Amino acid sequence: AQRVTQPEKLLSVFKGAPVELKCNYSYSGSPELFWYVQYSRQRLQLLLRHISRESIKGFTADLNKGETSFHLKKPFAQEEDSAMYYCALTPSGQAGTALIFGKGTTLSVSS
Amino acid sequence: DAGVTQSPTHLIKTRGQHVTLRCSPISGHKSVSWYQQVLGQGPQFIFQYYEKEERGRGNFPDRFSARQFPNYSSELNVNALLLGDSALYLCASSLTPVGGYGYTFGSGTRLTVV
Repeated sequence: AQRVTQPEKLLSVFKGAPVELKCNYSYSGSPELFWYVQYSRQRLQLLLRHISRESIKGFTADLNKGETSFHLKKPFAQEEDSAMYYCALTPSGQAGTALIFGKGTTLSVSS
Repeated sequence: DAGVTQSPTHLIKTRGQHVTLRCSPISGHKSVSWYQQVLGQGPQFIFQYYEKEERGRGNFPDRFSARQFPNYSSELNVNALLLGDSALYLCASSLTPVGGYGYTFGSGTRLTVV
């Protein structure tokens, strides 16, 4: 079965500390992986996708097919990073398929 | 560009009633998907439409239906509302029905069933 697991419901760190939001997935084929973010009172928005290999707002994520993981990392957390983060996958190249989301991790960055 | 717009933003319905939620995609986007987000959970896929045809359906009962219009806007209909249908309903648009480019989400419609 297709599944995305985010083991941490809440991650609290201090400003300037490194951040790693964990995401593991279960999918038999070739998925495309995403991180979405929802800041307070804002809509869900795409943060980054694995195929683009970009760094957005200092965040990076590497797809590890062996460990079926797609952890989100940032070396130095900022208070404005506080938000809800969702990992999601979709089957690669297939029309009509869903984004499958994890339950989300709340990141709280305090000074 | 106004982005993905959804209406209404909030509504309250009684058990057994039906509800219609509306979504306008980003200009140029031909694919619209609907998601249900229950408190404390990630969004769950309900439907995807592309070029006015249903291209995908999630694991939801037949009380849920949708359609897409020639201007690519979409409606989600839910009949015989249950308390468990209370949720945030999100609409997402994309250029194509292939999700690799990611989706742009609307702000959602908060449905409360009493």
